[in-house]
Amino acid sequence: AQSVTQLGSHVSVSEGALVLLRCNYSSSVPPYLFWYVQYPNQGLQLLLKYTSAATLVKGINGFEAEFKKSETSFHLTKPSAHMSDAAEYFCAVRQTGTASKLTFGTGTRLQVTL
Amino acid sequence: EPEVTQTPSHQVTQMGQEVILRCVPISNHLYFYWYRQILGQKVEFLVSFYNNEISEKSEIFDDQFSVERPDGSNFTLKIRSTKLEDSAMYFCASSPGDLGEQYFGPGTRLTVT
Repeated sequence: AQSVTQLGSHVSVSEGALVLLRCNYSSSVPPYLFWYVQYPNQGLQLLLKYTSAATLVKGINGFEAEFKKSETSFHLTKPSAHMSDAAEYFCAVRQTGTASKLTFGTGTRLQVTL
Repeated sequence: EPEVTQTPSHQVTQMGQEVILRCVPISNHLYFYWYRQILGQKVEFLVSFYNNEISEKSEIFDDQFSVERPDGSNFTLKIRSTKLEDSAMYFCASSPGDLGEQYFGPGTRLTVT
């Protein structure tokens, strides 16, 4: 069964600093990978997805993620954090070839300070 | 831009009562999902639905839960006899195809007292 592990339940960065949120996946077959963002009291919004095309995926709001098969990782980055990026970020995996569910990680809360 | 909507935004119910959570998926989508998020925990899959039947369900989705697409636009989740541990945020999602991205609604916060 596939799963994802998000290292760090809380990450704090200064405004303008690099954002790095870590996600490692476990899957017996090449997966589809997603990053979702959840702002307070809101639903889940898709940031970006990897579906076996380009390994470097660009998403909304300046975020990007790189699929690294050798490291089984799909870390989320943004060069320069904004205050508006403060939210909870979830990595999720979905196995290819099935009418399949998303399996989410435990989430990382990003705090952005002045 | 089309979006998934859910009603109510917050539902308070007493233990043992039945609740129905409602969702209106994006109109041309074919796959529908329910997830839940207990406060402070990760989002968990409950059930997926396609072609008027359940395609997959999790261990959480026991006999107390049921889903229905009663009229071609709504997608409902029923909990027959709520328990305290059913208190959570319930998210509906829809997808245009089997492998398409899933679009989530804003959620219904269910509080069981």
